[in-house]
Amino acid sequence: QQQVKQSPQSLIVQKGGISIINCAYENTAFDYFPWYQQFPGKGPALLIAIRPDVSEKKEGRFTISFNKSAKQFSLHIMDSQPGDSATYFCAASKTDSWGKFQFGAGTQVVVTP
Amino acid sequence: DAGVIQSPRHEVTEMGQEVTLRCKPISGHNSLFWYRQTMMRGLELLIYFNNNVPIDDSGMPEDRFSAKMPNASFSTLKIQPSEPRDSAVYFCASSFGGMSTDTQYFGPGTRLTVL
Repeated sequence: QQQVKQSPQSLIVQKGGISIINCAYENTAFDYFPWYQQFPGKGPALLIAIRPDVSEKKEGRFTISFNKSAKQFSLHIMDSQPGDSATYFCAASKTDSWGKFQFGAGTQVVVTP
Repeated sequence: DAGVIQSPRHEVTEMGQEVTLRCKPISGHNSLFWYRQTMMRGLELLIYFNNNVPIDDSGMPEDRFSAKMPNASFSTLKIQPSEPRDSAVYFCASSFGGMSTDTQYFGPGTRLTVL
């Protein structure tokens, strides 16, 4: 049972463009939604996270948008750079629990020069 | 500062052999997580330790898998006997606190191939 569904599976964007990755969750008890970035041969690294008390969080070129009623959240990468080429995972969990996440399947992003 | 250290980075073994993966968490972190990553199943949590005690091992696939954390600076994940379907990248992660809002720092992973 996949509790967090992530799309698209992959995307190609030109340098300077916007990359958008979407995730949908089922469990309404989830209240913490991080995004991880993984480069080839490396472990995932926390990129940015959001809680449902805000609809948007921005850190540099990375923005999370959150829609609680639709149970959806998305990652926007503005002004995409070749160095952003990586696999991105969304995840969901409950803040009052230990760190057991439901991860999305991942999106491979390729930014072309 | 050193991050999470895993060894070996690559392991190739034959079906039926015992495999031991090792992890050294970041100093001062009291929570440790073992994950498995495959194309088919994505990133899966296998087991979680807090203060060296296993808290949740519900993700361990079967009895062939076992994990230990004898002290705060070392953990092992053992597969015995190994099977081809165990081929995956195994990650160890550590955090200070262990709650979901505490950042987990992942190691570089061990790529396991079982022939």
